Amino acid sequence: QSALTQPASVSGSPGQSITISCTGTSSDVGGYNLVSWYQQHPGKVPKLMIFEVTKRPSGVSNRFSGSKSGNTASLTISGLQAEDEADYYCCSYAGSYTLVFGGGTRLTVL
Amino acid sequence: QVQLQESGPGLVKPSQTLSLTCTVSGASVSSGTYYWTWIRRPAGKGLEWIGRAYTDGSANYNPSLKSRVTISLDTSKNQFSLKLTSVTAADTAVYYCARDRYCSGGTCYSHDAFDIWGQGTVVTVSS
Repeated sequence: QSALTQPASVSGSPGQSITISCTGTSSDVGGYNLVSWYQQHPGKVPKLMIFEVTKRPSGVSNRFSGSKSGNTASLTISGLQAEDEADYYCCSYAGSYTLVFGGGTRLTVL
Repeated sequence: QVQLQESGPGLVKPSQTLSLTCTVSGASVSSGTYYWTWIRRPAGKGLEWIGRAYTDGSANYNPSLKSRVTISLDTSKNQFSLKLTSVTAADTAVYYCARDRYCSGGTCYSHDAFDIWGQGTVVTVSS
């Protein structure tokens, strides 16, 4: 079971859109619609942003959206804001009642 | 309002056992709706799923940690615990407990989404 692959960092200017990818295999991301995304600000607790690939919990801005194609899931943030600067993690069910996280992506708002 | 709070020693010696407890308020660990999960974040690294326990006594573990990990529920105290044996410096991390499954408006979705997290507790493995 290997960690899912995310870019170490992405950046964007306020108002722009960015996409963070999360690449796995057919045994995890590609095999199940059970990908979730978390936002973690420095020193804070991770926050659930997306679950079941595309669904947003109540209270999460609709600027955040999720998708999946094959073995790669993606988190898109539109209308980038300074408060979006944080670390983002994907997580997927990996079969046999186990889960695996991605390595994390640092988002910088320029 | 559901809250989770980790507790336990902040310093553990190499080769010893790390033991943490998560106290749950506002929800029951015996409800059967949720999995109760441990996750960690080593310094400078990403999140790592450790494992989870369910009310029927079952538990699932990260394959890389399976030989050293036990997660269990204490329904009488509304707590769940983590035990990690034979620790090394590589086990130094912030340890989080979390609730696994998102429910809203009377609808519960699939497991494998952590909607409520504890504040995290730092555990250092050092002699």
